[in-house]
Amino acid sequence: GQNIDQPTEMTATEGAIVQINCTYQTSGFNGLFWYQQHAGEAPTFLSYNVLDGLEEKGRFSSFLSRSKGYSYLLLKELQMKDSASYLCAVRGPNDYKLSFGAGTTVTVRA
Amino acid sequence: EAGVAQSPRYKIIEKRQSVAFWCNPISGHATLYWYQQILGQGPKLLIQFQNNGVVDDSQLPKDRFSAERLKGVDSTLKIQPAKLEDSAVYLCASSLKTGTGNEQFFGPGTRLTVL
Repeated sequence: GQNIDQPTEMTATEGAIVQINCTYQTSGFNGLFWYQQHAGEAPTFLSYNVLDGLEEKGRFSSFLSRSKGYSYLLLKELQMKDSASYLCAVRGPNDYKLSFGAGTTVTVRA
Repeated sequence: EAGVAQSPRYKIIEKRQSVAFWCNPISGHATLYWYQQILGQGPKLLIQFQNNGVVDDSQLPKDRFSAERLKGVDSTLKIQPAKLEDSAVYLCASSLKTGTGNEQFFGPGTRLTVL
C-alpha cells in the first residue's frame, strides 16, 4: 500500500515563496505527481517526477528524492490565484494506480 | 480540446435511495477512472477502465456501487442504496493510456449529499 503525508495548511504572503513537502512510504514506486485543486473544482496537473532531481516549470518546481521517499513542490512569486489545495500523488509499480495524499491548503495573503 | 464532462454537478438524495453519475472522457482517451473525494481528503480511486474492461476495482464497495463503460467511451457510476458516508465529490478522470507519465485529466466532479 501507499502512505503519503503532506502538511494540512500553509499560509504565505503575495510575492513570497512556499515549499510544500510530501513524504511517502510505498510498496513500489513509478512516479510522483503534483496536482492543484481550487475549491469546488477539479484537480489540474502541475508536475511529474520519476527520476531524482528538480523539474522546473515557470513559477512552479518539483523535486524528488526516491531514496528518501521525499518530494517537494516549490511555488515562487506567489499570486492570490495560487490559493488552492495542492495534492501529492504516487503511482505504484505494477498497477499504475495513483494514490493521493490529503492535500495541502495554501492561503496567499496580500 | 473539450475536457472531461460530468453530470449532474450536484445531487442531494436521502439514504437508501439510488443515484447515478455520468462521465464523458476526453475524446480518444482509452483509460477512465472514477474517484471518491471526501471533504478534507485526497481522491480515492474506486474503479479504473481500460477501454471497456475493468483494470482495477479493488476499492469499489461492490455491495452498493457499480460502474460500467459498455462502449469504451462514456461511463456511469451507480450507488444503490446510498449511505450517509457516501457524501462526497465523485470525480471522473481520463488518460490516453495506462502507463508511466500519462497524466490524468479530471472532470469538474459531482457533489453528492446523502441526508
